Amino acid sequence: KQEVTQIPAALSVPEGENLVLNCSFTDSAIYNLQWFRQDPGKGLTSLLLIQSSQREQTSGRLNASLDKSSGRSTLYIAASQPGDSATYLCAVRETSGSRLTFGEGTQLTVNP
Amino acid sequence: DGGITQSPKYLFRKEGQNVTLSCEQNLNHDAMYWYRQDPGQGLRLIYYSQIVNDFQKGDIAEGYSVSREKKESFPLTVTSAQKNPTAFYLCASKTTGGVKRGNEQFFGPGTRLTVL
Repeated sequence: KQEVTQIPAALSVPEGENLVLNCSFTDSAIYNLQWFRQDPGKGLTSLLLIQSSQREQTSGRLNASLDKSSGRSTLYIAASQPGDSATYLCAVRETSGSRLTFGEGTQLTVNP
Repeated sequence: DGGITQSPKYLFRKEGQNVTLSCEQNLNHDAMYWYRQDPGQGLRLIYYSQIVNDFQKGDIAEGYSVSREKKESFPLTVTSAQKNPTAFYLCASKTTGGVKRGNEQFFGPGTRLTVL
């Protein structure tokens, strides 16, 4: 059974700092991996989708990498801003028709 | 303006009542999902549907029911059999195919259900 772990569970950083969020998964045979952001009381917003054949994806200040062989993904946030404060979740899909398996999330606070 | 809508945003239920949460999408997605989120816990899958008129139980289907009569709609009914229904409910849908954006999942804004 696929298990997804996110470390750390919470992170507090000063504004402007570059930071890395980690996601690991137990079964490397995945179809894709998706990073989401969730603000309190809101739905999840898709940030980046990495297909199994890809190594990384970038969107603005965000860069996500995927290393299938080691079962790891990282989300890099450059020049963090208070508006980046949210919970970040990663999720993996094992086949095109299967459901997502989610991690517990990392709660990020960026202090002004 | 494409997306997933959920209504109502807040819902209050008396014990013993059934309530139905609405989920509509105009993204032309085949697959739709219902999740439950409790404070301090991750997302748990309730039901999902890969195609119209077909759906499967997720990890915590007891006390819930769904229907999928139209591609755009996937309503969730929380029955009186659900012992602890107070939670945040999220609906999602998923693209199919495509090399770059295939099988990307999108979420609605959620419905917060409170049992009085």
